[in-house]
Amino acid sequence: DAKTTQPTSMDCAEGRAANLPCNHSTISGNEYVYWYRQIHSQGPQYIIHGLKNNETNEMASLIITEDRKSSTLILPHATLRDTAVYYCIVRVAAGNQFYFGTGTSLTVIP
Amino acid sequence: GAVVSQHPSRVICKSGTSVKIECRSLDFQATTMFWYRQFPKQSLMLMATSNEGSKATYEQGVEKDKFLINHASLTLSTLTVTSAHPEDSSFYICSAPGLAGGRTDTQYFGPGTRLTVL
Repeated sequence: DAKTTQPTSMDCAEGRAANLPCNHSTISGNEYVYWYRQIHSQGPQYIIHGLKNNETNEMASLIITEDRKSSTLILPHATLRDTAVYYCIVRVAAGNQFYFGTGTSLTVIP
Repeated sequence: GAVVSQHPSRVICKSGTSVKIECRSLDFQATTMFWYRQFPKQSLMLMATSNEGSKATYEQGVEKDKFLINHASLTLSTLTVTSAHPEDSSFYICSAPGLAGGRTDTQYFGPGTRLTVL
């Protein structure tokens, strides 16, 4: 079962930062937070993941609270192509299954 | 990054026929692959774990005789929907674990297969 809670939908103006929250209050000490996105009728695309430190890559930044009960995915300069459903997933690393929640449908507005 | 392919991308079949979907890891080996199903406007639902050289493990409520999984090699897993019916129409997606940035592993997903049963 999914262990995360996300808002159903969000809008963001093109060029602005998109901040997508995720609650995972029952996360265990060895569970990572992963973010994926799914553009309509495509397979999910990996964005970023982290354990307890904040992470940044070429796509996004991941901010994890100190108690690890929530996190925020930040897309620094949203474009129209970032319109997608964003999934926050918690899982133990090394091959275990992913259980998807309902995700957040992000719409980037021109 | 790691690439996972699926074939076919789209299939339409008559009720009662069987349909085979292939999932391949193109530039890495995968002893484990995962199969998901996604209905319109819903999230992905994990169906089963495909294990190379052994039987697949199915999630609760998924009929193993209906959805046959064969992990023939370290780069290929197949899902066969047997005696397909209209309610099996869905988007089927596979994934395989790989390394993200050389660190802890993550899942790489295929592009999906759209199955329509008439």
